[in-house]
Amino acid sequence: AQRVTQPEKLLSVFKGAPVELKCNYSYSGSPELFWYVQYSRQRLQLLLRHISRESIKGFTADLNKGETSFHLKKPFAQEEDSAMYYCALTGVGNEKLTFGTGTRLTIIP
Amino acid sequence: DAGVIQSPRHEVTEMGQEVTLRCKPISGHNSLFWYRQTMMRGLELLIYFNNNVPIDDSGMPEDRFSAKMPNASFSTLKIQPSEPRDSAVYFCASSLTSGGAYEQYFGPGTRLTVT
Repeated sequence: AQRVTQPEKLLSVFKGAPVELKCNYSYSGSPELFWYVQYSRQRLQLLLRHISRESIKGFTADLNKGETSFHLKKPFAQEEDSAMYYCALTGVGNEKLTFGTGTRLTIIP
Repeated sequence: DAGVIQSPRHEVTEMGQEVTLRCKPISGHNSLFWYRQTMMRGLELLIYFNNNVPIDDSGMPEDRFSAKMPNASFSTLKIQPSEPRDSAVYFCASSLTSGGAYEQYFGPGTRLTVT
């Protein structure tokens, strides 16, 4: 079975401070990990995926297979980063995503 | 493209009534997903279709829930009879897939309230 754990339901960070949203997963095969984001009054949308190795809006995430983690990080938080963030998992060659329960990030001005 | 279209955006109904949620995927996409979002359980996959065929319905809570995709441009999720615990936001998403996980594009969701 595949499982995604996001231990923090709520996270508040001051503007300019570093941000880290935690994600741990459980999967027996070769995983593919994603971060999706939902800004206020907008649709849920893909933020980044580990195979792309991109930095989107200043966010990065590294897949750590040893620790089975895919934490989302940003060195300096901005107010527009306030949103709901979901970590998602699937297996290579599989299109079914398993989402975590989400973390609501609030950036304090 | 207007993206994934869902209707209605809000639905309030009484317990025991039938509810039908509708989804129009992005043109050209071949996979369609139905999710339910609640505070307690987050985003749960209910069912997904590939090329109009249901592939995995293991997330459908019980027989009261059913989903169809009669053609590539339309899908429905039906709850009959509805119960208060079905209250949630239901999302539809579509993607263009070819043997792997590709970006899913989400609709705006339908907020269902069952009283």
